[in-house]
Amino acid sequence: DQQVKQNSPSLSVQEGRISILNCDYTNSMFDYFLWYKKYPAEGPTFLISISSIKDKNEDGRFTVFLNKSAKHLSLHIVPSQPGDSAVYFCAASEPYSGGGADGLTFGKGTHLIIQP
Amino acid sequence: DTAVSQTPKYLVTQMGNDKSIKCEQNLGHDTMYWYKQDSKKFLKIMFSYNNKELIINETVPNRFSPKSPDKAHLNLHINSLELGDSAVYFCASSHFNRGVYGYTFGSGTRLTVV
Repeated sequence: DQQVKQNSPSLSVQEGRISILNCDYTNSMFDYFLWYKKYPAEGPTFLISISSIKDKNEDGRFTVFLNKSAKHLSLHIVPSQPGDSAVYFCAASEPYSGGGADGLTFGKGTHLIIQP
Repeated sequence: DTAVSQTPKYLVTQMGNDKSIKCEQNLGHDTMYWYKQDSKKFLKIMFSYNNKELIINETVPNRFSPKSPDKAHLNLHINSLELGDSAVYFCASSHFNRGVYGYTFGSGTRLTVV
């Protein structure tokens, strides 16, 4: 049972245009969401996150939007650059318990390809 | 200065062997994890370890055991390796401060069981 879903395995965007990566979740207990970027043979690197008390968070070219009622979030990258080509993972977390944590639940990832 | 480092990066071993993967973080984070990325590229949590409290994903076979000598280290021991254990294993650490989570991943260990 996938609690975090990224339904687009891949996405191709022209350089300079906007890239929009989508993510849906089913667990209403999730209250924190993160996007990670991953290159081959490397670990996931943190991009941007958003708490469930917000609906938007922006950091440079990256903006994450959260629609709690639809259980949907999206990552916007604008303008897209060749170095953005990578696999992007959406991840979610339940409230921090203060003790042992359940960790992140990941989607399967979307392979973003930026075309020159 | 690597924040979360794991060794080795590649590990090839025969079925039935016992092996360990080491992980160290220098971020002062209070929770460490092991994740497995399988052949379908799905990243799934295996263990989390915080203040000597271990939370185990119930789907993880008991051949896998985490060992934490101190707060900065969480090693993964695997006994009686099977072909299906072949995957990439990622160590991670996290902290929680003022409503913000910080998760940092290591670069992964590609385990191949032959």
